[in-house]
Amino acid sequence: GAVVSQHPSWVICKSGTSVKIECRSLDFQATTMFWYRQFPKQSLMLMATSNEGSKATYEQGVEKDKFLINHASLTLSTLTVTSAHPEDSSFYICSARDRRRQGAFFGPGTRLTVL
Amino acid sequence: QKEVEQNSGPLSVPEGAIASLNCTYSDRGSQSFFWYRQYSGKSPELIMSIYSNGDKEDGRFTAQLNKASQYVSLLIRDSQPSDSATYLCAVNMRTSYDKVIFGPGTSLSVIP
Repeated sequence: GAVVSQHPSWVICKSGTSVKIECRSLDFQATTMFWYRQFPKQSLMLMATSNEGSKATYEQGVEKDKFLINHASLTLSTLTVTSAHPEDSSFYICSARDRRRQGAFFGPGTRLTVL
Repeated sequence: QKEVEQNSGPLSVPEGAIASLNCTYSDRGSQSFFWYRQYSGKSPELIMSIYSNGDKEDGRFTAQLNKASQYVSLLIRDSQPSDSATYLCAVNMRTSYDKVIFGPGTSLSVIP
């Protein structure tokens, strides 16, 4: 149990394009999903927390208009990086949990490279 | 003060020894604490969770929590080379919304 998938696993795009990353909980209903970003040799930085059916809560310093998060259903959350630039290149990881579990389970991550 | 702090390491222990990893947190109201293991280039894997003061054992892993000192630790007994990874401490902070914050991680190297 507690399987979380992410798609795509990696993406390379040109500067100025938008990229959508999907996060799915495969065997449980995720009432809360978290989006993190991790730069090389650094820890996970929480970008935003989203609850199903409501707007995401963004951490300080994270531009909500640039990183659009949609938690449309209990099994799916999406992160869209709009007008991506090279400095947005990073490892983006989602995690999900339901009401009964205390720990959050991570997806495999998406490596974004913006040229 | 950072919300969750850990010694960055690297921590090196010989195979078979006990590895001790420490974490402190700033939010006195936090109730849930987690240890994750992350191999290079992979996403974190949950290995332990703890909610009450004291020790919690799971196989070779023991988590220890002291809320009064705002301190949580992870002991790995009989360390194996496959335990070499970065260990991340995470805290579910008590705010107006659900928020899980990670420490910077401690790099562990188990020497054969």
